[in-house]
Amino acid sequence: EVQLVASGGGLAPPGGSLRLSCAASGFTFSNYDFHWVRQSPEKGLEWVSAIGTVGETFYPDFVTGRFTISRQNARNSLYLQMNSLRADDTAIYYCVRRSSKEGTHYFDYWGQGTLVTVSS
Amino acid sequence: DIQLTQSPSSLSASVGDRVTLTCQASQDITYYLNWYQQKPGKAPKVLIYDASNLETGVPSRFSGSGSGTLFTFTITSLQPEDIATYFCQQYDNFPFTFGPGTKVELK
Repeated sequence: EVQLVASGGGLAPPGGSLRLSCAASGFTFSNYDFHWVRQSPEKGLEWVSAIGTVGETFYPDFVTGRFTISRQNARNSLYLQMNSLRADDTAIYYCVRRSSKEGTHYFDYWGQGTLVTVSS
Repeated sequence: DIQLTQSPSSLSASVGDRVTLTCQASQDITYYLNWYQQKPGKAPKVLIYDASNLETGVPSRFSGSGSGTLFTFTITSLQPEDIATYFCQQYDNFPFTFGPGTKVELK
């Protein structure tokens, strides 16, 4: 059974840092691309970052320079280092697997989400 | 960035009704559009990928169509377990973007 279990969320002050982790199981982790997607009542679903099988990374402008996605295949783990946090980074953060179907790009498995709250 | 607008923002329908939702893109995204269902307190779940392909294991009452800038998502016969919010998502260009969602409720 495919499982993605996110952890590391919590309360951080504005300007602070958090590191999210996502533990994967039930499939060959190294064969897949992964993303982080967040959701808040104010902004809805937002794509936050992506990492490919060979470590290439992609970010939207609003996190570039602040967030870093990484992976450790030996540990079947995905990470999101979040620095210079702002109040509008408050959201549930989901780790998400990209489907392996050739020629397409959709999210076939989502973790349960971890809540990040940025507040003083 | 590509903007996605969904309509309606919410709707009420009865069990057995045909329900149609719309997603419009701010520019041509060919067929690079996916549909997700989200129930309260749960993560989204993919139903349709590439505008019209049914994900494995998803009931055939769900379908999608469209290309370019206008897409539709249909539930042919609404069931009580279909009560959820439905989101479209484009992957034509980074940054990937999502629509604001359509909340489907029972009348």
